[in-house]
Amino acid sequence: EAGVAQSPRYKIIEKRQSVAFWCNPISGHATLYWYQQILGQGPKLLIQFQNNGVVDDSQLPKDRFSAERLKGVDSTLKIQPAKLEDSAVYLCASSSLRGGLWEQYFGPGTRLTVT
Amino acid sequence: GENVEQHPSTLSVQEGDSAVIKCTYSDSASNYFPWYKQELGKRPQLIIDIRSNVGEKKDQRIAVTLNKTAKHFSLHITETQPEDSAVYFCAASRRGGADGLTFGKGTHLIIQP
Repeated sequence: EAGVAQSPRYKIIEKRQSVAFWCNPISGHATLYWYQQILGQGPKLLIQFQNNGVVDDSQLPKDRFSAERLKGVDSTLKIQPAKLEDSAVYLCASSSLRGGLWEQYFGPGTRLTVT
Repeated sequence: GENVEQHPSTLSVQEGDSAVIKCTYSDSASNYFPWYKQELGKRPQLIIDIRSNVGEKKDQRIAVTLNKTAKHFSLHITETQPEDSAVYFCAASRRGGADGLTFGKGTHLIIQP
């Protein structure tokens, strides 16, 4: 089966500009996650969707970050305006229940550099 | 919320020796503990996981142990090979992994030839 797809793979913007990332989960995966991975750290959960509803967005900086999953499949994550500290890799993951167990699979990520 | 501590941050072992990475978690409701391997510039890859209803799980050269009472779990890699060199992350989650993961800060494993 195809994996989680993300685009773009790389993005360089200036601070105060806006940027959007796109994710297409593994087919049939109802749950989708966005993580932020700052260099040298573990991924940090930003938001979790179940179909097109938000399950957890407690760590999403809502003054500048937004995310949507309108049709319960693809998702977009937006930052507006960007700050220098937003430089990170943004990872999308999706999960499914298999044999009674959940497993999360990650996409390749979008590396964002804010200058 | 959950907090996951991971040690050591860097681990260097001779090829063929064993490597052990340890993690502790704070939320007693966490019941799913995966380990991910991340090579430079690549996505995290799930290598093994354990649920709270078992104490140990093994897959070839990789094993994970869980002590629910002490709230710690460990990754054991035996007969290490050069391709094992990477950053390893432990994580914890509620609801059997359906919830988002809380990750440790990672261990950079270096296999010396």
